[in-house]
Amino acid sequence: AQSVTQLGSHVSVSEGALVLLRCNYSSSVPPYLFWYVQYPNQGLQLLLKYTSAATLVKGINGFEAEFKKSETSFHLTKPSAHMSDAAEYFCAVSEHTGGFKTIFGAGTRLFVKA
Amino acid sequence: DAGVIQSPRHEVTEMGQEVTLRCKPISGHDYLFWYRQTMMRGLELLIYFNNNVPIDDSGMPEDRFSAKMPNASFSTLKIQPSEPRDSAVYFCASISGGGTGELFFGEGSRLTVL
Repeated sequence: AQSVTQLGSHVSVSEGALVLLRCNYSSSVPPYLFWYVQYPNQGLQLLLKYTSAATLVKGINGFEAEFKKSETSFHLTKPSAHMSDAAEYFCAVSEHTGGFKTIFGAGTRLFVKA
Repeated sequence: DAGVIQSPRHEVTEMGQEVTLRCKPISGHDYLFWYRQTMMRGLELLIYFNNNVPIDDSGMPEDRFSAKMPNASFSTLKIQPSEPRDSAVYFCASISGGGTGELFFGEGSRLTVL
């Protein structure tokens, strides 16, 4: 069975600083990996996804993530934080061979200070 | 194209009452998921369907919860009788089986059981 661990329930950065949100996964088969963002009172939106192509994945709003199989990690980064990046971020894993069952991590709330 | 549509957006009810949440997936999507989000437990997968057939309902908390998908464009999640601990935001999401597993979420139904 797959699982996801997000390190840090809250991360605070200054505007313009590097954003790093950590995600480790467990999967019995090659996984599909995703980062989603949730703004208050909204559903989740896809930021980026890894589906066994390039290991460095670029997403929307300047975010990117690198799939590292040896470390079972899929950390999310952005070089320069903007106030509008303040939101909750979820890492997710899907074992697509089993019908796209998707499990989410606990989420990391990102605060951006002016 | 319309996204995933959920109703009602907000529901306040009293303990013991029946609650029915509704979802219309994106046209052409053949997977439908129900998730529950709470502060304590995060995003939990309750059940998911493929071509209107339930594939995995292991996340359904107890017999008070039931879900149906009578056709490709409609699903319901029913709680009977409701309890205060069922208070949460319930999300519906859909996927195209021919895609790469990206979940498209509705805006959620916020349930409060008094």
